[in-house]
Amino acid sequence: AQKVTQAQTEISVVEKEDVTLDCVYETRDTTYYLFWYKQPPSGELVFLIRRNSFDEQNEISGRYSWNFQKSTSSFNFTITASQVVDSAVYFCALSEIGGGADGLTFGKGTHLIIQP
Amino acid sequence: DAGVTQSPTHLIKTRGQHVTLRCSPISGHKSVSWYQQVLGQGPQFIFQYYEKEERGRGNFPDRFSARQFPNYSSELNVNALLLGDSALYLCASSSDGGAGGNNQPQHFGDGTRLSIL
Repeated sequence: AQKVTQAQTEISVVEKEDVTLDCVYETRDTTYYLFWYKQPPSGELVFLIRRNSFDEQNEISGRYSWNFQKSTSSFNFTITASQVVDSAVYFCALSEIGGGADGLTFGKGTHLIIQP
Repeated sequence: DAGVTQSPTHLIKTRGQHVTLRCSPISGHKSVSWYQQVLGQGPQFIFQYYEKEERGRGNFPDRFSARQFPNYSSELNVNALLLGDSALYLCASSSDGGAGGNNQPQHFGDGTRLSIL
């Protein structure tokens, strides 16, 4: 069975600090996809990134960066120079390759609070 | 282009009633998935439909059912509502989802917040 663990329930930092959100996953599949989504108070889940299990290159997009380490089954997300607008709940998710018939398996989320 | 649209946005029902939630996918997307998000938890997978066929089902009782129409819109039906069904119900669409698909990202709507009294 697939499982995603986000051990940090809530993180609070002051604006402009860097912050890292942890994600650890479990799967028996050798091929799979990992995702990060952002959920602002409005409720909509906003897609941030998708990474397949064959690609362990780290990725940077503006102030966002992702560190995928297959050896430790982790897919961590770092926000550099955080801003108040980054405040939201962030979810890490996992799905198997081949149609995703089991849907996405989400972690419980990390509530990120950026204080001005 | 319009994103995933869900209706209604809020709904209040009483125990034992039936509810129908609706979802219109992004234009060109043929796959629709439904998720239940209880307060303080991550979304849980309920159903996936692709080309009007059920492709996947999560661990939910038979009170939950869904269907997809020729225009790829979808309905989620829940019978005999329980207090525990109170949640945010999210619909997501993606361009693939059939067997052998390459897991294109799912794009979510704003959800329907269902409250059971």
